[in-house]
Amino acid sequence: RKEVEQDPGPFNVPEGATVAFNCTYSNSASQSFFWYRQDCRKEPKLLMSVYSSGNEDGRFTAQLNRASQYISLLIRDSKLSDSATYLCVVNTGFNKFYFGSGTKLNVKP
Amino acid sequence: GAVVSQHPSRVICKSGTSVKIECRSLDFQATTMFWYRQFPKKSLMLMATSNEGSKATYEQGVEKDKFLINHASLTLSTLTVTSAHPEDSSFYICSARDRTSGEDTQYFGPGTRLTVL
Repeated sequence: RKEVEQDPGPFNVPEGATVAFNCTYSNSASQSFFWYRQDCRKEPKLLMSVYSSGNEDGRFTAQLNRASQYISLLIRDSKLSDSATYLCVVNTGFNKFYFGSGTKLNVKP
Repeated sequence: GAVVSQHPSRVICKSGTSVKIECRSLDFQATTMFWYRQFPKKSLMLMATSNEGSKATYEQGVEKDKFLINHASLTLSTLTVTSAHPEDSSFYICSARDRTSGEDTQYFGPGTRLTVL
């Protein structure tokens, strides 16, 4: 079983739509969680950390569900510029960061 | 966020030569840096974890004699691809772990695209 699993998509949504991604992780002792976005042929960039209480940054909301071992990312009012691959990252401690394979989002005009 | 630079951004070399890639954390000290490679349309694959002042920890299946890693200072780690072959052509990305911000996150360099002819 993979440490981190994501639906690869693609998610094709119109501008202005709300879209949500989930990511599941297998290690219940995982310590910290992140969402990164990666544009084609570019490096991943940190989008936001995910806190137990949930956190929001503008149109983006991240949540953590430890009981069910998943994290989620909600994007409201999608923009064309949100088109990218979204990577879920889990830190299990001891310098171990595990990446999901990414979820591709295409926002259409 | 923190800044990580990587050099060169692109390199083309002949088969059999060695290529060195540098990764620098510009505005923070990174006791740990990570090296990844990524094939087209695939996710990042961790190659090794580089700890300042000690030997790198390689992931299973990664040849340590082929991918030499040196982390001589808190702001610099290097990856040398020795005796490069065409199958080593890939996108190599480093990241540096920032524990000072309280969030313990990784910040990525812009990547190095290696093409071995």
